[in-house]
Amino acid sequence: GENVEQHPSTLSVQEGDSAVIKCTYSDSASNYFPWYKQELGKGPQLIIDIRSNVGEKKDQRIAVTLNKTAKHFSLHITETQPEDSAVYFCAAHEGGRRALTFGSGTRLQVQP
Amino acid sequence: EADIYQTPRYLVIGTGKKITLECSQTMGHDKMYWYQQDPGMELHLIHYSYGVNSTEKGDLSSESTVSRIRTEHFPLTLESARPSHTSQYLCASSEIGDGNYGYTFGSGTRLTVV
Repeated sequence: GENVEQHPSTLSVQEGDSAVIKCTYSDSASNYFPWYKQELGKGPQLIIDIRSNVGEKKDQRIAVTLNKTAKHFSLHITETQPEDSAVYFCAAHEGGRRALTFGSGTRLQVQP
Repeated sequence: EADIYQTPRYLVIGTGKKITLECSQTMGHDKMYWYQQDPGMELHLIHYSYGVNSTEKGDLSSESTVSRIRTEHFPLTLESARPSHTSQYLCASSEIGDGNYGYTFGSGTRLTVV
C-alpha cells in the first residue's frame, strides 16, 4: 500500500519568512495530493490540492509543487503570518484505494 | 461553517461505560471515515464506509464499532470504554467521484476515559 513520509516534524520561522514542508510517497499510482491545515481544537481543513497531471498550483500565499518522477511534493507558504501557525498534513490517494494516506504532520510555528 | 458535525466535543467518562460518538454530514457524501489522532499528531484510520450498510475496518485496529444506516449518519460506539481509548476522534466525509477525493473533517471529539 501507499506510504507517505513528511518532513520536518516541526518548523519554526520568523514572520514574513517562507516555510516549506516536504512529502514523499511510495506508490506511483497515486494521483491526488491534498494538504490540510489543523488549528488547535479543530479538525483538519483542506487548504490546497494538486493532481498528478499538474506540476504546480498556487493560491495566494500558498503553493504546492509535485515531482512525479521523484515521487515527492511540497507545500510552500510565503510571507508567513502568525495565523499560519498550525499542524499541516500532506496526503496521497491512489484512486482505487479506500482512503487517503496521510503524512505524520508538521507543526509550524510562526514567530511574530 | 462546518457541514459535518461531531458530538460531543468533549467527553469524560468512567471505565467500563458504553459510549457513542456521533457524526453527521449534510453534504450527501457517500464515503465517511473515522480517524483516531494521537498526541503525536498522526491520523490513524480506524473505520470507513462507502455508503449505507457498508463498513470496513481501517489500518489501526480498534475495539470500536460503527454503523451506517443512513447516508448522513456514521456513529462510532465503544461497548466498554478503557483508559487506552483516551484520544481525539475525527470524523470525515468525501464524495465518490473520479479524481475528487478531498475530505471534509468534523471538529472532533476529545474522549477521556478515567
